[in-house]
Amino acid sequence: QVQLVQSGAEVKKPGASVKLSCKTSGYIFSDYYLHWVRQAPGQGLEWMGWIIPTSGATSYAPKLQGRVTMTRDTSISTGYMELTNLRDDDTAVYYCANGPGGGYWGQGTLVTVSS
Amino acid sequence: DIQMTQSPSSLSASVGDRVTITCRASQVIYTDLAWYQQRPGKAPELLINAASTLRSGVPSRFSGGGSGTDFTLTITSLQPEDVATYYCQNYDSVPHMFGQGTNVELK
Repeated sequence: QVQLVQSGAEVKKPGASVKLSCKTSGYIFSDYYLHWVRQAPGQGLEWMGWIIPTSGATSYAPKLQGRVTMTRDTSISTGYMELTNLRDDDTAVYYCANGPGGGYWGQGTLVTVSS
Repeated sequence: DIQMTQSPSSLSASVGDRVTITCRASQVIYTDLAWYQQRPGKAPELLINAASTLRSGVPSRFSGGGSGTDFTLTITSLQPEDVATYYCQNYDSVPHMFGQGTNVELK
């Protein structure tokens, strides 16, 4: 069955960086873009960007441009999302998903940014 | 950026009621629209893509419609397990914005 399994919770100080992973299985990794979406506490969903597994090409939300980097390792069907210069308002649950075409989401990773 | 506006932001309905949520895009997105359900404390789940294609396994009481800029999600007979927040998402062009969500509660 299709699974997207994300790395564990993180606690970071303002100004630090975080790198999350999303290990996929049960489908052909290259078949679907890998998206990242976040949700601040009590708030709605915010699309962060996607990466094309075959080429590594990326597209990022304008408000995150310059702070977010998405990469992938096709040999282990895993995607990564790094967010730098963390701020308090980056505190959120971060999800990976294989998009509207694939239809599957990871379980989410809570990132807490606090001094 | 294409803005996605959902209405209402919340609603309260009884078991068996017909519920309709609307989503309006600020520009034409053809049928490149998805609907998601998010139950409390859980990851979102895809219900519908291409505006009206029901994902396999999703109950047939859910349906989607519309094209261009105006879209609907309808639940024909609300069930207790449908209590959740529902989001639409544009995937026609980046950034793939979500609507602000519609919180569905039981009366």
